[in-house]
Amino acid sequence: NAGVTQTPKFQVLKTGQSMTLQCAQDMNHEYMSWYRQDPGMGLRLIHYSVGAGITDQGEVPNGYNVSRSTTEDFPLRLLSAAPSQTSVYFCASSRQGASEQYFGPGTRLTVT
Amino acid sequence: GNSVTQMEGPVTLSEEAFLTINCTYTATGYPSLFWYVQYPGEGLQLLLKATKADDKGSNKGFEATYRKETTSFHLEKGSVQVSDSAVYFCALIGPSYSSASKIIFGSGTRLSIRP
Repeated sequence: NAGVTQTPKFQVLKTGQSMTLQCAQDMNHEYMSWYRQDPGMGLRLIHYSVGAGITDQGEVPNGYNVSRSTTEDFPLRLLSAAPSQTSVYFCASSRQGASEQYFGPGTRLTVT
Repeated sequence: GNSVTQMEGPVTLSEEAFLTINCTYTATGYPSLFWYVQYPGEGLQLLLKATKADDKGSNKGFEATYRKETTSFHLEKGSVQVSDSAVYFCALIGPSYSSASKIIFGSGTRLSIRP
């Protein structure tokens, strides 16, 4: 089991560029989420999904899009990067909502 | 809405000292409570959990008791080691289905242990 994998580990973008952060899990978990981690602010939920074809917004969804076409994959898209999106991004999955979350190793994104 | 408040860091202790990291919460009903740990350069991993009042979660020498009367879930360890240096997050998941996917994290407490 690879668990939750994320790519890339590091990324530098210029303002206005677009990119997709990849997330995959091999545990057949229904629930997947994206968080951003900023100094002194803990983790904030961006988007989440309760199953293939179903997504919903979290606390800070603006500037990000998601889709869930398969159980395994949950990519996060930045359509037009802004410096305010400089952060560390974590993907997580869980068997069901009220259970242990498994986190990926994170993607450190810098927008200049 | 639901919220989690944990003590500000950083916390610096000497090896073998006693550790307490305070965590209190606000939630309707009976949420599930968690402590996660984040080692440098890694993602979060579950340390321990409790799903109902008076439950005690424990792992790797760490303990936390779900106290409904004080809405608290303080993390304790009797004798810390250098390898415990990390950031610790208290978290909750509400009991209702609509909030089931929205785990709420505290802001994290950085712990540093001196040899």
